[in-house]
Amino acid sequence: NAGVTQTPKFRVLKTGQSMTLLCAQDMNHEYMYWYRQDPGMGLRLIHYSVGEGTTAKGEVPDGYNVSRLKKQNFLLGLESAAPSQTSVYFCASSYVLGQNNEQFFGPGTRLTVL
Amino acid sequence: AQSVTQLGSHVSVSEGALVLLRCNYSSSVPPYLFWYVQYPNQGLQLLLKYTTGATLVKGINGFEAEFKKSETSFHLTKPSAHMSDAAEYFCAVSDTGTASKLTFGTGTRLQVTL
Repeated sequence: NAGVTQTPKFRVLKTGQSMTLLCAQDMNHEYMYWYRQDPGMGLRLIHYSVGEGTTAKGEVPDGYNVSRLKKQNFLLGLESAAPSQTSVYFCASSYVLGQNNEQFFGPGTRLTVL
Repeated sequence: AQSVTQLGSHVSVSEGALVLLRCNYSSSVPPYLFWYVQYPNQGLQLLLKYTTGATLVKGINGFEAEFKKSETSFHLTKPSAHMSDAAEYFCAVSDTGTASKLTFGTGTRLQVTL
């Protein structure tokens, strides 16, 4: 099993450009999450999904959109990138509640917005 | 609302010395507690977790943590540090709610010196 994979690994954008980050998991997990990691701030939840076709806002959702058209994929979109969105983005997935809530993380995408 | 406080953003120990990384949490419901480790340029990996039952939890790589409800703490320890333990460590709490969301601390970077 590949676990959780993220595409791309690195990306540089100019202010105002758009892009989509792809997360895929092969563990048949119901829940998927997008976090951003910034120095001194830990990980903050952007959006999450509790199942195919459903999404919800996390702690810092502004400027991002997500979609979960297939159970195994969770896409994070930036419609108009801003320098404040320079960060490392992590995707995670977990089983439904009752499996001790362990989240499995992807390797991350390092995004720089100029 | 849940929160996690990790005391000390940087901790330095000598190889062979005791490792103690501090984590305090607040939660309105019985929490699930986690420690994750992040090696440079990698995603997060679960070290150990507390859900219910025994309050002393053993994890991978010789780490353990003790859940102390009266102190709202979940400190991470390892009797003897190894150079390979150098990494960033994150404490996280889950509210056992429907979305299994994790709230992370800001992280502690562990340096191990000869």
